[in-house]
Amino acid sequence: EVQLVESGGGLVQPGGSLRLSCAASGFTFSIYWMSWVRQAPGKGLEWVASIKQDGNEKYYVDPVKGRFTISRDNAINSLYLQMNSLRAEDTAVYYCARGVSYYRYWGQGSLVTVSS
Amino acid sequence: DIQMTQSPSSLSASVGDRVTITCQASQDISNYLSWYQQKPGKVPKLLIYDASNLETGVPSRFSGSRSGTDFTFTINSLQPEDIATYFCQQYANLPRTFGPGTKVDIK
Repeated sequence: EVQLVESGGGLVQPGGSLRLSCAASGFTFSIYWMSWVRQAPGKGLEWVASIKQDGNEKYYVDPVKGRFTISRDNAINSLYLQMNSLRAEDTAVYYCARGVSYYRYWGQGSLVTVSS
Repeated sequence: DIQMTQSPSSLSASVGDRVTITCQASQDISNYLSWYQQKPGKVPKLLIYDASNLETGVPSRFSGSRSGTDFTFTINSLQPEDIATYFCQQYANLPRTFGPGTKVDIK
C-alpha cells in the first residue's frame, strides 16, 4: 500500500524557516517524480514544487522561488521542502504527492501557519 | 502560465440528478487534464486523468470529456456521498495549475 506521511509543520513567525518531510513507503520511491502541493485555509489547490527521480531537476511556482527548496533522499525514501523567509501567504496545508503530472497518491497534509 | 477557469463555483442538485462541471484552459493542453474530488477535511482524490480516463476504483457515474480547450466533468446520478469540492488540474505545462473548484451539495 502506498503511503506518504508528512511531518514538520507548525507555527512559525514571518521571516522564519521550516522544513517539511515526507516519508514514502509501499512503492519504489526512487523511480518517481515527487511534488508538493499546498492549500491555504478555505482555498483551492496550488502546486508548489516538483523534483525528478535523481534530484537533478527541480521546478517551483513563482511565489516560492528563491525561498523554498525541494530535495529528496532516495536511500531513505524521503522528500523534503525547506521553506525560508516565510510569509503569511504561505500559510497552508502542504501535501506531498507522487508524480509530476496528475497526482494519484497524496499524503495527509501538514499544516504550516505563518503568524506573529 | 496556463489559467484554468472552472464553472460553476458552486451548485446544488438533487439525488439522482446529472451534474456537469466545466473547466476551460487558457491555451491548448491536449488531454493533459485531471479531476479531483475533495471532501471537507480530507485529502484530494484523483477521479479522472488524461481528460477522460476513470481512475481505478472510481464509480462509473463519474466521467470526463474534452472539446478543444473545454473540459467537462459529469456525475451521472448524484449520490449523497458525492458532496465535495471538485477541482480540475492541467499538467501540460509547468507550473501545474488547478481550477478554483466547484462545490457540490445536495438540494
